[in-house]
Amino acid sequence: KQEVTQIPAALSVPEGENLVLNCSFTDSAIYNLQWFRQDPGKGLTSLLLIQSSQREQTSGRLNASLDKSSGRSTLYIAASQPGDSATYLCAVRTGGYNKLIFGAGTRLAVHP
Amino acid sequence: DTAVSQTPKYLVTQMGNDKSIKCEQNLGHDTMYWYKQDSKKFLKIMFSYNNKELIINETVPNRFSPKSPDKAHLNLHINSLELGDSAVYFCASSPAGGTYEQYFGPGTRLTVT
Repeated sequence: KQEVTQIPAALSVPEGENLVLNCSFTDSAIYNLQWFRQDPGKGLTSLLLIQSSQREQTSGRLNASLDKSSGRSTLYIAASQPGDSATYLCAVRTGGYNKLIFGAGTRLAVHP
Repeated sequence: DTAVSQTPKYLVTQMGNDKSIKCEQNLGHDTMYWYKQDSKKFLKIMFSYNNKELIINETVPNRFSPKSPDKAHLNLHINSLELGDSAVYFCASSPAGGTYEQYFGPGTRLTVT
């Protein structure tokens, strides 16, 4: 049974820091991995999607890596800003029907 | 021009009532989903429909019944609401090919009193 774990559960950093959020999954047979952002009381915004054959994806200040064999992904945020404050969710697509299995998320607070 | 929309945004009701949540997507996607986010913020899939056909049905009580009148709409009807049904329910959609990237709606916060 696929399980997704995200560490740390919460993170508070000063503005400008580079930071890394971690995601691990127990079954390496995944099709892809998505990183989402969730703002309080809002829906999920897809940040990056990495196919199982890819090693990383970049979008602006965000870089996500995937090591399928070890069951790990990291989301790197460069030069963090207060606007980055949100909960970041990692989800893996598993099985033939595009089912996403989510981690519990990392709650990020970036203070000025 | 919202991609995935849900109504209502908030729903407060009493135990035992029956309620529905509606979802619509204008992305032309073939597949739609319902997820539940509980008080601990854990998101879990409930159902998935592909071209109006049910393809994922997780271990969800029979009181929950999804209905897809067409591939752009997926509604969730809940009978005999219980306190434990209080959660945020998210609708999502994805194409049936390519990256299968899922796009989420804004969520419906259901509170059962």
